[in-house]
Amino acid sequence: SQKIEQNSEALNIQEGKTATLTCNYTNYSPAYLQWYRQDPGRGPVFLLLIRENEKEKRKERLKVTFDTTLKQSLFHITASQPADSATYLCASYNQGGKLIFGQGTELSVKP
Amino acid sequence: GAVVSQHPSRVICKSGTSVKIECRSLDFQATTMFWYRQFPKQSLMLMATSNEGSKATYEQGVEKDKFLINHASLTLSTLTVTSAHPEDSSFYICSASLGTSGGNEQYFGPGTRLTVT
Repeated sequence: SQKIEQNSEALNIQEGKTATLTCNYTNYSPAYLQWYRQDPGRGPVFLLLIRENEKEKRKERLKVTFDTTLKQSLFHITASQPADSATYLCASYNQGGKLIFGQGTELSVKP
Repeated sequence: GAVVSQHPSRVICKSGTSVKIECRSLDFQATTMFWYRQFPKQSLMLMATSNEGSKATYEQGVEKDKFLINHASLTLSTLTVTSAHPEDSSFYICSASLGTSGGNEQYFGPGTRLTVT
């Protein structure tokens, strides 16, 4: 079945460092991948979308890459801040046209 | 930007009762609305897709008689959990889309925490 997988282990980093989160997809080739932020008890908030023909996309301190060979997207937050602490979700539309999500990676940025 | 609201934000109900959750698109007309369920530390799972004026399409394993969805207007969809049981306790999130087909951007609501006692 078509899947999106993220590292379910929490990521703990020091303020100011770069956080790197991984998203892998299997059994299909998405035309684009989306990244969302989700705070506890809240719905997901859209952050970035990257298309399969885009190697890299940036938005302020965020950077996303898309490697179709590795079937992977990396999500980077540079100069991380405690306010960046949240769960980050990777998502994509599957071949049936439904938005499927990874299980999310919880990021904790310590001051 | 597109804003989607949900009401209530949290609800506690007794086992066997029904509870209704509303999802509204505040500043746009949503052709399609989606209902997701999220258990702790797990991914969002699509429950159903509803288009205004037509019957909802339910995902495999989701009981349509238990989770009643009504999409009466382009700005409002409701999910009613009938005869709720403790295992229905979860975080329910709706989203709204401008398009009718997959691939259109979805705008998510803030979620509703349902606890069934």
